[in-house]
Amino acid sequence: AQSVSQHNHHVILSEAASLELGCNYSYGGTVNLFWYVQYPGQHLQLLLKYFSGDPLVKGIKGFEAEFIKSKFSFNLRKPSVQWSDTAEYFCAVNPHGGSQGNLIFGKGTKLSVKP
Amino acid sequence: EPEVTQTPSHQVTQMGQEVILRCVPISNHLYFYWYRQILGQKVEFLVSFYNNEISEKSEIFDDQFSVERPDGSNFTLKIRSTKLEDSAMYFCASSPHIGPNYGYTFGSGTRLTVV
Repeated sequence: AQSVSQHNHHVILSEAASLELGCNYSYGGTVNLFWYVQYPGQHLQLLLKYFSGDPLVKGIKGFEAEFIKSKFSFNLRKPSVQWSDTAEYFCAVNPHGGSQGNLIFGKGTKLSVKP
Repeated sequence: EPEVTQTPSHQVTQMGQEVILRCVPISNHLYFYWYRQILGQKVEFLVSFYNNEISEKSEIFDDQFSVERPDGSNFTLKIRSTKLEDSAMYFCASSPHIGPNYGYTFGSGTRLTVV
C-alpha cells in the first residue's frame, strides 16, 4: 500500500539552528509531493510542492525541499529557524501525478523552536 | 485571501447520535474533499466530491458516512451513528481542478469528540 513516512515525531531546536525533516514515500509511479504546515489552531497551509523539473524546490518562509527519486525522499530544510516556525509539518504525496484528488499524508512532525 | 470555512470548530456528541459537519468551500472551486486526523495519527483521505457525486472514497468512508452539497455553498459530512473511534479532527478542502496541484485549500477543521 502507498504510504508516507516522517521519521521524526517531535523536533526541538533553538532559534537560528538549521532544520531538516525527513520524508520518505512508497510508490513507484509518478508522484507529486507536498509539504504542509499547520500552525496552532489554524488550517493546513501549503509550504511547497514538487511536480517535475528541478528537484530542489523553494517554498514560502525560507523553506526548501529536495526530491531524491532514487531514495524516494522529499526532505524539508530551512537553514535558520525562527520561533515563529513552531508548528506541525506534514509531508504528503499525490500518487497519481495529480490525476486524482486524494493526498496521502505522513504522521506529521511537531517542531518546537526555543527563543 | 479566500478561505474554506468549517463549522463548528468543536463538536461533542454522544455515541450513536448523528452528526453533520459543515464546510463552505471557496466559491469558484469545483472539487471538494474530506479528510480526518485521529489524535496522534496521520491525516487520512475520506472522500472527494465533484458534480454532485462522489468521485473517490477511501476504505474508511463506509455506509456510516455520507456527503452532500445541499445548496450552492455548503458541503457537509454526515456520520449516521457515531462511534467512539470517530473522534477526530475533520478537515474539509476544496480545489478549482481535480487534485492537489493547484489551489487546494484546507479549512481549519472541526474537532469531533464522541462520548
